[in-house]
Amino acid sequence: NAGVTQTPKFRILKIGQSMTLQCTQDMNHNYMYWYRQDPGMGLKLIYYSVGAGITDKGEVPNGYNVSRSTTEDFPLRLELAAPSQTSVYFCASSYPGTGNTEAFFGQGTRLTVV
Amino acid sequence: AQTVTQSQPEMSVQEAETVTLSCTYDTSESDYYLFWYKQPPSRQMILVIRQEAYKQQNATENRFSVNFQKAAKSFSLKISDSQLGDAAMYFCAYRDRKGGGSNYKLTFGKGTLLTVNP
Repeated sequence: NAGVTQTPKFRILKIGQSMTLQCTQDMNHNYMYWYRQDPGMGLKLIYYSVGAGITDKGEVPNGYNVSRSTTEDFPLRLELAAPSQTSVYFCASSYPGTGNTEAFFGQGTRLTVV
Repeated sequence: AQTVTQSQPEMSVQEAETVTLSCTYDTSESDYYLFWYKQPPSRQMILVIRQEAYKQQNATENRFSVNFQKAAKSFSLKISDSQLGDAAMYFCAYRDRKGGGSNYKLTFGKGTLLTVNP
């Protein structure tokens, strides 16, 4: 039972480079999220999606883009990496109901921009 | 917008003792969920316990229990008989109950780093 899978687990980027963080889930969850975690700051929402073809900005979307072409996949794109994007990134998914409330998280991607 | 505050950046406890982690939140909603997540050094976010705001009874999961004070908007986590494996970062989180849009997102506190001393 894979749950939420993120790749890569670690990455070092140079300033100005681009990359895509991959996220896939096998639980048929409609809702998916990208968070970033900075030391001492908790997790902040970057983007979220309520279903295939539908995405929206969270609290800290600048410098990122997302797409949701399938229910399973929700990649996060960094176009021009900046040192401020050094962080740990988490993808999560959940079922869009009021009964089942748990969000499932991937294992995170530690990104360093130098 | 909802906010979650964890006022204790770090806490420590002796093995087998009890420790309480504090969390307060602010919301204008009456129906919501509250969670405690554990993040060990592996980075994995693990759900420890959840509380539904419309339930007066405090949630309990084995050695973990909460003290939910809705009027005070307080949601503390008590860990009894602390074990070395409990050492981790603990996050308090809030989620609206009503559906739609970003309502299902989690709002997190900044975390409390728990050290368990042998």
